Amino acid sequence: SSELTQDPAVSVALGQTVRITCQGDSLRSYYASWYQQKPGQAPVLVIYGRDNRPSGIPDRFSGSSSGNTASLTITGVQAEDEADYYCNSRDSSGNLVVFGGGTKLTVL
Amino acid sequence: EVQLLESGGGLAQPGGSLRLSCVASGFTFSTYAMSWVRQAPGKGLEWVSGISGISDSGGSTYYADFVKGRFAISRDNSKNTLYLQIFSLRAEDTAVYYCAKDLGSGGSSFDNWGQGTLVTVSS
Repeated sequence: SSELTQDPAVSVALGQTVRITCQGDSLRSYYASWYQQKPGQAPVLVIYGRDNRPSGIPDRFSGSSSGNTASLTITGVQAEDEADYYCNSRDSSGNLVVFGGGTKLTVL
Repeated sequence: EVQLLESGGGLAQPGGSLRLSCVASGFTFSTYAMSWVRQAPGKGLEWVSGISGISDSGGSTYYADFVKGRFAISRDNSKNTLYLQIFSLRAEDTAVYYCAKDLGSGGSSFDNWGQGTLVTVSS
């Protein structure tokens, strides 16, 4: 299986824009999905595919990808966006799933 | 509304076994791939195992490398239920176990999650 690497922590000022990245060889072949998890809650899918948002996810969340790096961008960060964010994708074999280690987003 | 309700967690002895269940509702369970994802206390998400829906590969199963034969995933489409059997429990299996529904896009996007069931392995 392959690995996905995320920065452990990122901080951003309220109302600013933040980019959270995810790196891994499998991202050259497969899109990443992104999940938001708040303390004591189950993860919530926020981005999947090229740049798709499930129903109910605000349009300030967007995704992009280049080479072996996928990115989640939050434009105009709100206080309620403070959470852990995880990426995942298929591994290089295409049969298994891997998660990144997660990024803790702090809103200042 | 999609709902996933896990059960079967609790305190278990090292070396013992446990069967987790996830009852699904609000969608055609049989046609979607499903997965188990776990999260150890204070740690990140870790994919454990997945099983395909009847529309693709007819119930094929997949396991993370660390499983090493100790876990078995299965589904009963007549009962809309996903299972995870864990054998030879170890302290490092202590985690919240989530069941997750695949979006159906052929990737690895989980669009619905249960609230999780806590497994604690301790003597």
